[in-house]
Amino acid sequence: ELQLVESGGGLVQPGGSLRLSCVASGLTVSSDYMNWVRQAPGKGLEWVSVIYSGGSTYYADSVKGRFTISRDNVKNTVYLQMNSLRVEDTAVYYCARAFIPATGLDRWGQGTQVTVSS
Amino acid sequence: DIQLTQSPSFLSASLGERVTITCRASQDISNHLAWYQQKPEKAPKLLMHSASTLQRGVSSRFNGGGSGTEFTLTISGLQPEDFATYYCQQLNSFPRTFGQGTKVEIK
Repeated sequence: ELQLVESGGGLVQPGGSLRLSCVASGLTVSSDYMNWVRQAPGKGLEWVSVIYSGGSTYYADSVKGRFTISRDNVKNTVYLQMNSLRVEDTAVYYCARAFIPATGLDRWGQGTQVTVSS
Repeated sequence: DIQLTQSPSFLSASLGERVTITCRASQDISNHLAWYQQKPEKAPKLLMHSASTLQRGVSSRFNGGGSGTEFTLTISGLQPEDFATYYCQQLNSFPRTFGQGTKVEIK
């Protein structure tokens, strides 16, 4: 069964850092297009980042220069390193897979909560 | 960046009713549009991609259409499990923006 499991969320002060992990089973992160999407409390979905099978990465303007997406092919895991966190980064962060980039995000994890507060 | 505007933002409908949600893009995105359904406290679920291709396992009550800058998601014969929030997402260029969402509630 295809499954994505996120972890690493928590409470952090503004300016702090967190690293989110997304462990995949039933799929290969190095072959698929792995995304992070977030949802602030009571708000809509916001696409954050993607890492392509070839290694190319793309980011939302709101996180560019602060967040870094990466993967470990041996551990079949995708990461989101989040630095210089702001209050407005508070959200549930979802890991999601696209089998083909233009066909949408067909597998999602359960999400991990990130709260940025002093 | 491409902006997606969904209308309406909120929709109240009865069981068995047919409803249509519109998603307008700020520039031509061909047919590179996906639709998602999200229920409270749950991850989104992919319903449709390429504007009109139904994701495997999704009910045929859902129908998508459009191209260019205007797209629709129609739900025929609303069922209790269809009451949720629906989002469109453009897959034409980065950043991969979402619409603001349309909440479908029971009248």
